[in-house]
Amino acid sequence: SQQGEEDPQALSIQEGENATMNCSYKTSINNLQWYRQNSGRGLVHLILIRSNEREKHSGRLRVTLDTSKKSSSLLITASRAADTASYFCATDANQGAQKLVFGQGTRLTINP
Amino acid sequence: SQTIHQWPATLVQPVGSPLSLECTVEGTSNPNLYWYRQAAGRGLQLLFYSVGIGQISSEVPQNLSASRPQDRQFILSSKKLLLSDSGFYLCACLGPGGTQYFGPGTRLLVL
Repeated sequence: SQQGEEDPQALSIQEGENATMNCSYKTSINNLQWYRQNSGRGLVHLILIRSNEREKHSGRLRVTLDTSKKSSSLLITASRAADTASYFCATDANQGAQKLVFGQGTRLTINP
Repeated sequence: SQTIHQWPATLVQPVGSPLSLECTVEGTSNPNLYWYRQAAGRGLQLLFYSVGIGQISSEVPQNLSASRPQDRQFILSSKKLLLSDSGFYLCACLGPGGTQYFGPGTRLLVL
């Protein structure tokens, strides 16, 4: 079953603006990860945040995690046309073999 | 770091034909390996995972099977394809800290 649910399903903004995507999940987790997928390609890992962390930064990416609300957000600052892609959250719910459960994704379009 | 190879990139097969998709991994040994399927515009569904040679766990009942004949080789197969087997198939390898490295994927169209 899909645990992570992203919101919104699609987002279109102008280059230079910030983009925020949200993810909700249902069970307790070890960590939550964000991945990016360019059209027709494999996924690329962006950032991992552990259940005991509240915020993490990597370049123009900022991820927050609220375990009490079972939610996470991904912020991309100063967006660029090259950021156009689908973004997925994935949760490791300690189900063995470090399996990940992926959400349905947010399709982000950056307009030049 | 790990590199995941998948082939072919695209495959068009008739209903009822067999399938064999191969995934190989470089840069690591005895990794956990995963097969996912992605429907158009959707998220990833985990199909199989393997923690070692000959060890396969199935996540969902389906028309497909998986095998791991070598440490860094993971194969997805079917004896008779169904229309519903169409999709984008991704192989992944467990990396440091619980992240996953993905291959480029195989787009399968069953007609």
